[in-house]
Amino acid sequence: EDKVVQSPLSLVVHEGDTVTLNCSYEVTNFRSLLWYKQEKKAPTFLFMLTSSGIEKKSGRLSSILDKKELSSILNITATQTGDSAIYLCAVPTLTSGTYKYIFGTGTRLKVLA
Amino acid sequence: DTGVSQDPRHKITKRGQNVTFRCDPISEHNRLYWYRQTLGQGPEFLTYFQNEAQLEKSRLLSDRFSAERPKGSFSTLEIQRTEQGDSAMYLCASMGQYNEQFFGPGTRLTVL
Repeated sequence: EDKVVQSPLSLVVHEGDTVTLNCSYEVTNFRSLLWYKQEKKAPTFLFMLTSSGIEKKSGRLSSILDKKELSSILNITATQTGDSAIYLCAVPTLTSGTYKYIFGTGTRLKVLA
Repeated sequence: DTGVSQDPRHKITKRGQNVTFRCDPISEHNRLYWYRQTLGQGPEFLTYFQNEAQLEKSRLLSDRFSAERPKGSFSTLEIQRTEQGDSAMYLCASMGQYNEQFFGPGTRLTVL
């Protein structure tokens, strides 16, 4: 059965710290992995990683895909209180021509001032 | 605003009532998804449309749930005879050409 597992489940840090969030996956026909940030509303898209784009960076956020280890990490440097959110990892699976996303349970990050 | 929109944003209903939610995807996206999210969980897939065709339904979608996308644009999700276990955030997402999903703001359903 396809699955996506995220760790840790929750994390509390202080402003300025660097955090690393993990996502591991077991899916057939892997194509891509996506990271989302979810505050008190719907998830917002952060990054998509594929075989041809295994590293992405945007400001203080960066993400790397390790296809050999079937995992990805999301790094946030110099954290700010506004980074407090749930970070979701999702992997699409292709079954009978239909893309279906499998989400992890997320990592709840709290950044203290 | 050219993003995904959902209506209503919040719905409180009594057990046994029917509810209907609407999703308007990004206009050029022909693929549309419905998800359900409960506290402490990631979104769970419910159903998927390509244009007006409903191509897949999750086992989570009991016969009290029905979804439509009659003209291949907006979609509706109806829950009949609501139960307290239906309380959740119902998310709609549309998919772009690179298979990235963009979510709407969600409809939070509370069944009393």
